Amino acid sequence: EVQLVESGGGLVQPGGSLRLSCAASGFTFSVYSMNWVRQAPGKGLEWVSYIYSGGSTIYYADSVKGRFTISRDNAKNSLYLQMNSLRAEDTAVYYCAREGALSVWGQGTMVTVSS
Amino acid sequence: DIQMTQSPSSLSASVGDRVTITCRASQGIRNDLAWYQQKPGKAPKRLIYAASSLQSGVPSRFSGGGSGTEFTLTITSLQPEDFATYYCLQYNSYTWAFGQGTKVEIK
Repeated sequence: EVQLVESGGGLVQPGGSLRLSCAASGFTFSVYSMNWVRQAPGKGLEWVSYIYSGGSTIYYADSVKGRFTISRDNAKNSLYLQMNSLRAEDTAVYYCAREGALSVWGQGTMVTVSS
Repeated sequence: DIQMTQSPSSLSASVGDRVTITCRASQGIRNDLAWYQQKPGKAPKRLIYAASSLQSGVPSRFSGGGSGTEFTLTITSLQPEDFATYYCLQYNSYTWAFGQGTKVEIK
């Protein structure tokens, strides 16, 4: 079964850092590009970041550029999102999703930025 | 960056109704468009990709159309389990963009 499982969310103070992980199983992770997408409480979906299968090409939304870093470890079938300088407006459920057309999604992990 | 304008933002419909949701891209995106269904507390589920290709396992009452800048999602004969929020997504450019969402409610 194709599966994505996010972890690492939690409560963090403004200005703090958090690292999200996404564990992939049931498919050949190394040949697929991956994305992070977030959804603030009661709001719509917002694309956050993309990484090519080999990690050579990376894109970010303007709202997180310079603060978030996407990475992957194909040997561990894992995707990561390092989030620094967190703000209240980063509060959201964060999803990882497979490939450019977001064919498969994880269940999400909640990140709350609050003092 | 490419912007997606989705309409309507919400609609009320009855079981058995035909429903159409529209997404307009700020510039041409060929057919690099997908549609998602999201129910409360759940992750989005892809229904359509490449503008008109039905995702495996998705009922045939869902269909997508369009190309370039104008796209539609049509649900023929709305079922009780179809009441949800729907989003379009363009994946043509290096910054992906979702539509604002359409909440389909029971009349």
